[in-house]
Amino acid sequence: DAGITQSPRHKVTETGTPVTLRCHQTENHRYMYWYRQDPGHGLRLIHYSYGVKDTDKGEVSDGYSVSRSKTEDFLLTLESATSSQTSVYFCAMRQALRSDTQYFGPGTRLTVL
Amino acid sequence: AQSVSQHNHHVILSEAASLELGCNYSYGGTVNLFWYVQYPGQHLQLLLKYFSGDPLVKGIKGFEAEFIKSKFSFNLRKPSVQWSDTAEYFCAVNKEGDDKIIFGKGTRLHILP
Repeated sequence: DAGITQSPRHKVTETGTPVTLRCHQTENHRYMYWYRQDPGHGLRLIHYSYGVKDTDKGEVSDGYSVSRSKTEDFLLTLESATSSQTSVYFCAMRQALRSDTQYFGPGTRLTVL
Repeated sequence: AQSVSQHNHHVILSEAASLELGCNYSYGGTVNLFWYVQYPGQHLQLLLKYFSGDPLVKGIKGFEAEFIKSKFSFNLRKPSVQWSDTAEYFCAVNKEGDDKIIFGKGTRLHILP
């Protein structure tokens, strides 16, 4: 959907380096999410945000941190990238909890060598 | 903890065949249910969703799903598939009022022309 973008779309980095992925939305949605997608595992939630400066952990949060200083931006940081973090990362947004849908960004393919 | 099970990891069908993809969830309370589709190289898109009301839900592209509360199931169906339905399909569940949406591991559907 045009209302949510991710940058970069592709990144190759080396083990031990910090990496930050950006998710940007123009819909003023309250909730934002970071998932990783891996073959055989589907989508797994890393972290999510329920408002500016309000974040919480998902099921696979180890090695990742997030920040949300503005409604429109949700950053995912790998403090020290490892090869196990090679994945496709999707950001999603959701306006409200009740009767609402998640809309996904185009994804970021990250390779850690 | 909530979990979502998709029974078939990989399904191969010929065009015009009927499709049913299974989805079961573990949570016993009020849930919101979703099916998403991911076409090759693209991000996830919503196919259909159930929040309340008629348990038979119709979505885009001729897909439908039936919520059977007693079986904790939300199976996806299409009477006659097309080659363009080749994609990966994800079932997802959200506990009413919860911030998180939990995804199944996905079913990869391949339609033979």
